[in-house]
Amino acid sequence: KAGVTQTPRYLIKTRGQQVTLSCSPISGHRSVSWYQQTPGQGLQFLFEYFSETQRNKGNFPGRFSGRQFSNSRSEMNVSTLELGDSALYLCASSYGTVLSNEKLFFGSGTQLSVL
Amino acid sequence: QQQVKQSPQSLIVQKGGISIINCAYENTAFDYFPWYQQFPGKGPALLIAIRPDVSEKKEGRFTISFNKSAKQFSLHIMDSQPGDSATYFCAASARGTASKLTFGTGTRLQVTL
Repeated sequence: KAGVTQTPRYLIKTRGQQVTLSCSPISGHRSVSWYQQTPGQGLQFLFEYFSETQRNKGNFPGRFSGRQFSNSRSEMNVSTLELGDSALYLCASSYGTVLSNEKLFFGSGTQLSVL
Repeated sequence: QQQVKQSPQSLIVQKGGISIINCAYENTAFDYFPWYQQFPGKGPALLIAIRPDVSEKKEGRFTISFNKSAKQFSLHIMDSQPGDSATYFCAASARGTASKLTFGTGTRLQVTL
């Protein structure tokens, strides 16, 4: 079974631009979650999509948004980029049950650099 | 507000030794406590996890000890190997929100020969 695939692997943008990141979950998984990883703040939850609907949301500004398609693939968008948005953005997929011990499988991430 | 505190920040252990990483949480709604291992250039990978209804879980060389009253849990890596050198994260989630993990700040483990 193929793992979680994130594209692109690296991205360089300038302040004020917008960016779209893509995530293809493991086949059969219906939940996709996004995390931001930085040296200073660590791993922080952005949001989760299940069956094309946002199910959970973290404490990030509205510049961070996402969507999920009918095939469970997900995209994350960041508008009006700021220097502080430079981070590794990780996508995780799961079956999406509400069981608290459900396993999350992470992709290798997209490294975003904002200049 | 940091809801999961992790220590130490870094750890150097000799091959064959025991690596111990500790975490403490504040939110009593947490009911699932996984540990993740991350290698450079890769995403975190689930290593082992525990529910608060048990005090210990062992999988191979990895053991989680859980103290519900103290709201603390720890990861023990027995017979540490150079291949275990990675960053380890503890995490926690509340009932019904398995995807919304709150992570600790991470521990960089180096196992020397």
